[in-house]
Amino acid sequence: ELKVEQNPLFLSMQEGKNYTIYCNYSTTSDRLYWYRQDPGKSLESLFVLLSNGAVKQEGRLMASLDTKARLSTLHITAAVHDLSATYFCAVDKDDKIIFGKGTRLHILP
Amino acid sequence: DTAVSQTPKYLVTQMGNDKSIKCEQNLGHDTMYWYKQDSKKFLKIMFSYNNKELIINETVPNRFSPKSPDKAHLNLHINSLELGDSAVYFCASSLTYDTGELFFGEGSRLTVL
Repeated sequence: ELKVEQNPLFLSMQEGKNYTIYCNYSTTSDRLYWYRQDPGKSLESLFVLLSNGAVKQEGRLMASLDTKARLSTLHITAAVHDLSATYFCAVDKDDKIIFGKGTRLHILP
Repeated sequence: DTAVSQTPKYLVTQMGNDKSIKCEQNLGHDTMYWYKQDSKKFLKIMFSYNNKELIINETVPNRFSPKSPDKAHLNLHINSLELGDSAVYFCASSLTYDTGELFFGEGSRLTVL
Protein backbone atom coordinates (compact mmCIF):
# COMPACT_ATOMS: atom_id res chain seq x y z
CA GLU A 1 0.00 0.00 0.00
CA LEU A 2 1.32 3.41 -0.95
CA LYS A 3 2.28 5.61 1.97
CA VAL A 4 3.12 9.29 1.60
CA GLU A 5 4.94 11.00 4.43
CA GLN A 6 5.64 14.67 4.78
CA ASN A 7 7.90 16.38 7.21
CA PRO A 8 7.75 18.52 9.07
CA LEU A 9 4.01 18.53 9.74
CA PHE A 10 4.21 21.96 11.27
CA LEU A 11 6.69 24.70 10.54
CA SER A 12 6.89 28.16 11.98
CA MET A 13 9.48 30.37 10.40
CA GLN A 14 10.54 33.98 10.12
CA GLU A 15 10.00 36.06 7.02
CA GLY A 16 13.06 36.19 4.86
CA LYS A 17 14.30 32.69 5.79
CA ASN A 18 14.66 29.66 3.55
CA TYR A 19 13.26 26.26 4.33
CA THR A 20 12.45 22.91 2.75
CA ILE A 21 9.48 20.58 3.14
CA TYR A 22 10.11 16.91 2.40
CA CYS A 23 7.78 14.33 0.90
CA ASN A 24 8.73 10.65 0.92
CA TYR A 25 6.66 7.89 -0.60
CA SER A 26 6.84 4.15 -0.27
CA THR A 27 6.38 2.67 -3.76
CA THR A 28 7.55 3.62 -7.22
CA SER A 29 5.71 6.41 -8.92
CA ASP A 30 6.71 8.92 -11.55
CA ARG A 31 4.05 11.46 -10.75
CA LEU A 32 3.93 13.76 -7.80
CA TYR A 33 1.89 16.87 -7.08
CA TRP A 34 2.04 19.73 -4.64
CA TYR A 35 -1.05 21.56 -3.46
CA ARG A 36 -1.69 24.55 -1.26
CA GLN A 37 -4.65 24.94 1.06
CA ASP A 38 -5.50 28.17 2.86
CA PRO A 39 -7.57 27.87 6.07
CA GLY A 40 -11.19 27.06 5.30
CA LYS A 41 -10.52 26.99 1.58
CA SER A 42 -10.10 24.53 -1.22
CA LEU A 43 -6.88 22.99 -2.51
CA GLU A 44 -4.99 24.70 -5.29
CA SER A 45 -2.56 22.88 -7.55
CA LEU A 46 0.98 24.30 -7.33
CA PHE A 47 3.25 21.88 -9.16
CA VAL A 48 3.00 18.77 -11.29
CA LEU A 49 6.21 16.72 -11.38
CA LEU A 50 6.16 13.96 -13.96
CA SER A 51 9.67 12.58 -14.23
CA ASN A 52 12.83 11.90 -12.33
CA GLY A 53 14.85 15.06 -11.90
CA ALA A 54 11.90 17.35 -12.61
CA VAL A 55 12.29 20.79 -11.10
CA LYS A 56 9.67 23.51 -11.23
CA GLN A 57 9.67 27.00 -9.82
CA GLU A 58 6.96 29.54 -9.20
CA GLY A 59 7.94 32.70 -7.39
CA ARG A 60 9.51 31.80 -4.05
CA LEU A 61 8.58 28.12 -4.30
CA MET A 62 10.59 25.44 -6.03
CA ALA A 63 9.67 21.77 -6.21
CA SER A 64 11.84 18.84 -7.25
CA LEU A 65 11.41 15.11 -7.69
CA ASP A 66 13.86 12.26 -7.25
CA THR A 67 12.00 9.09 -8.18
CA LYS A 68 14.93 6.84 -7.30
CA ALA A 69 15.00 8.15 -3.74
CA ARG A 70 11.18 8.41 -3.74
CA LEU A 71 11.54 11.93 -2.49
CA SER A 72 10.19 15.31 -3.43
CA THR A 73 11.12 18.61 -1.88
CA LEU A 74 9.33 21.94 -1.76
CA HIS A 75 11.81 24.71 -1.13
CA ILE A 76 10.76 28.13 0.08
CA THR A 77 13.11 31.02 -0.58
CA ALA A 78 12.97 34.23 1.46
CA ALA A 79 9.58 33.41 2.93
CA VAL A 80 6.86 36.03 3.07
CA HIS A 81 3.72 36.02 5.21
CA ASP A 82 1.47 35.36 2.19
CA LEU A 83 2.97 31.88 1.89
CA SER A 84 1.39 30.83 5.20
CA ALA A 85 -0.83 27.86 4.33
CA THR A 86 -0.93 24.08 4.48
CA TYR A 87 1.05 22.35 1.75
CA PHE A 88 0.22 18.84 0.62
CA CYS A 89 2.16 16.50 -1.58
CA ALA A 90 0.26 13.79 -3.42
CA VAL A 91 1.50 10.73 -5.27
CA ASP A 92 -0.20 8.99 -8.15
CA LYS A 93 -0.16 5.21 -8.09
CA ASP A 94 -2.50 2.84 -9.93
CA ASP A 95 -4.88 5.72 -10.68
CA LYS A 96 -5.18 6.61 -7.00
CA ILE A 97 -3.89 9.94 -5.82
CA ILE A 98 -2.76 9.57 -2.23
CA PHE A 99 -2.06 12.66 -0.14
CA GLY A 100 0.47 13.24 2.59
CA LYS A 101 -0.76 14.61 5.91
CA GLY A 102 0.15 18.16 4.97
CA THR A 103 2.67 20.64 6.31
CA ARG A 104 1.15 23.60 8.09
CA LEU A 105 3.44 26.53 7.39
CA HIS A 106 3.22 29.62 9.54
CA ILE A 107 5.41 32.54 8.54
CA LEU A 108 5.97 35.14 11.20
CA PRO A 109 6.40 38.77 10.19
CA ASP B 1 -17.52 30.50 -13.91
CA THR B 2 -16.56 28.11 -11.12
CA ALA B 3 -14.75 25.08 -12.56
CA VAL B 4 -15.78 22.56 -9.90
CA SER B 5 -18.79 23.52 -7.83
CA GLN B 6 -20.31 21.75 -4.87
CA THR B 7 -23.57 22.29 -3.06
CA PRO B 8 -24.32 22.79 -0.31
CA LYS B 9 -21.25 24.37 1.27
CA TYR B 10 -22.52 23.65 4.77
CA LEU B 11 -24.76 20.94 6.19
CA VAL B 12 -25.72 20.54 9.82
CA THR B 13 -27.87 17.54 10.60
CA GLN B 14 -28.79 15.00 13.24
CA MET B 15 -27.43 11.48 13.55
CA GLY B 16 -29.47 8.99 11.60
CA ASN B 17 -30.51 11.42 8.88
CA ASP B 18 -29.74 11.07 5.17
CA LYS B 19 -28.06 13.83 3.19
CA SER B 20 -26.71 14.46 -0.31
CA ILE B 21 -23.94 16.61 -1.72
CA LYS B 22 -23.88 17.54 -5.38
CA CYS B 23 -20.86 18.26 -7.55
CA GLU B 24 -20.56 19.58 -11.07
CA GLN B 25 -17.52 20.36 -13.19
CA ASN B 26 -17.43 22.43 -16.37
CA LEU B 27 -13.85 21.61 -17.32
CA GLY B 28 -14.75 18.81 -19.71
CA HIS B 29 -12.80 16.34 -17.56
CA ASP B 30 -13.46 12.62 -17.70
CA THR B 31 -12.72 11.73 -14.08
CA MET B 32 -14.28 12.92 -10.84
CA TYR B 33 -13.50 12.13 -7.22
CA TRP B 34 -14.75 12.46 -3.68
CA TYR B 35 -12.24 13.08 -0.92
CA LYS B 36 -12.89 13.35 2.81
CA GLN B 37 -10.87 15.79 4.91
CA ASP B 38 -11.11 15.17 8.64
CA SER B 39 -10.56 17.56 11.53
CA LYS B 40 -6.79 16.97 11.40
CA LYS B 41 -6.81 18.00 7.72
CA PHE B 42 -6.00 14.48 6.50
CA LEU B 43 -7.32 13.95 2.98
CA LYS B 44 -8.54 10.51 2.06
CA ILE B 45 -9.85 9.35 -1.29
CA MET B 46 -13.32 7.82 -1.16
CA PHE B 47 -14.42 7.27 -4.75
CA SER B 48 -13.48 8.03 -8.30
CA TYR B 49 -15.53 7.80 -11.45
CA ASN B 50 -14.32 7.86 -15.02
CA ASN B 51 -16.94 8.66 -17.63
CA LYS B 52 -19.73 7.70 -15.23
CA GLU B 53 -18.11 4.41 -14.27
CA LEU B 54 -16.87 3.67 -10.77
CA ILE B 55 -13.14 2.96 -10.79
CA ILE B 56 -12.14 3.44 -7.16
CA ASN B 57 -14.16 2.57 -4.07
CA GLU B 58 -11.82 2.95 -1.17
CA THR B 59 -13.28 0.83 1.66
CA VAL B 60 -15.97 3.33 2.38
CA PRO B 61 -19.02 2.15 4.38
CA ASN B 62 -21.90 1.29 2.12
CA ARG B 63 -23.91 4.07 3.76
CA PHE B 64 -22.05 6.25 1.25
CA SER B 65 -23.38 5.93 -2.28
CA PRO B 66 -21.95 7.98 -5.12
CA LYS B 67 -23.89 8.53 -8.31
CA SER B 68 -22.66 9.91 -11.60
CA PRO B 69 -25.52 10.69 -13.99
CA ASP B 70 -23.03 11.99 -16.56
CA LYS B 71 -19.33 12.73 -16.63
CA ALA B 72 -19.84 16.32 -15.50
CA HIS B 73 -21.67 15.38 -12.30
CA LEU B 74 -20.81 13.26 -9.29
CA ASN B 75 -23.14 13.29 -6.31
CA LEU B 76 -22.66 11.75 -2.89
CA HIS B 77 -25.53 10.41 -0.83
CA ILE B 78 -25.00 9.44 2.78
CA ASN B 79 -27.52 7.32 4.70
CA SER B 80 -27.89 7.00 8.45
CA LEU B 81 -25.36 9.69 9.29
CA GLU B 82 -22.98 9.07 12.18
CA LEU B 83 -20.92 11.46 14.30
CA GLY B 84 -17.75 10.24 12.61
CA ASP B 85 -19.03 11.37 9.24
CA SER B 86 -18.47 14.99 10.28
CA ALA B 87 -15.79 16.31 7.91
CA VAL B 88 -15.26 18.44 4.86
CA TYR B 89 -16.03 16.57 1.67
CA PHE B 90 -14.20 17.71 -1.43
CA CYS B 91 -15.17 16.94 -4.97
CA ALA B 92 -12.40 17.06 -7.56
CA SER B 93 -11.89 16.34 -11.23
CA SER B 94 -8.99 15.46 -13.50
CA LEU B 95 -8.61 15.36 -17.26
CA THR B 96 -8.52 11.57 -17.31
CA TYR B 97 -8.09 8.83 -14.73
CA ASP B 98 -4.36 8.62 -15.41
CA THR B 99 -3.56 12.33 -15.46
CA GLY B 100 -3.63 13.07 -11.81
CA GLU B 101 -3.61 16.85 -11.45
CA LEU B 102 -6.78 17.45 -9.48
CA PHE B 103 -9.03 20.47 -9.59
CA PHE B 104 -10.97 20.80 -6.36
CA GLY B 105 -14.33 22.22 -5.46
CA GLU B 106 -14.75 24.53 -2.49
CA GLY B 107 -15.71 21.72 -0.15
CA SER B 108 -18.89 20.84 1.75
CA ARG B 109 -18.61 20.97 5.52
CA LEU B 110 -20.84 18.33 7.10
CA THR B 111 -21.55 18.50 10.82
CA VAL B 112 -23.46 15.62 12.40
CA LEU B 113 -24.93 16.36 15.84
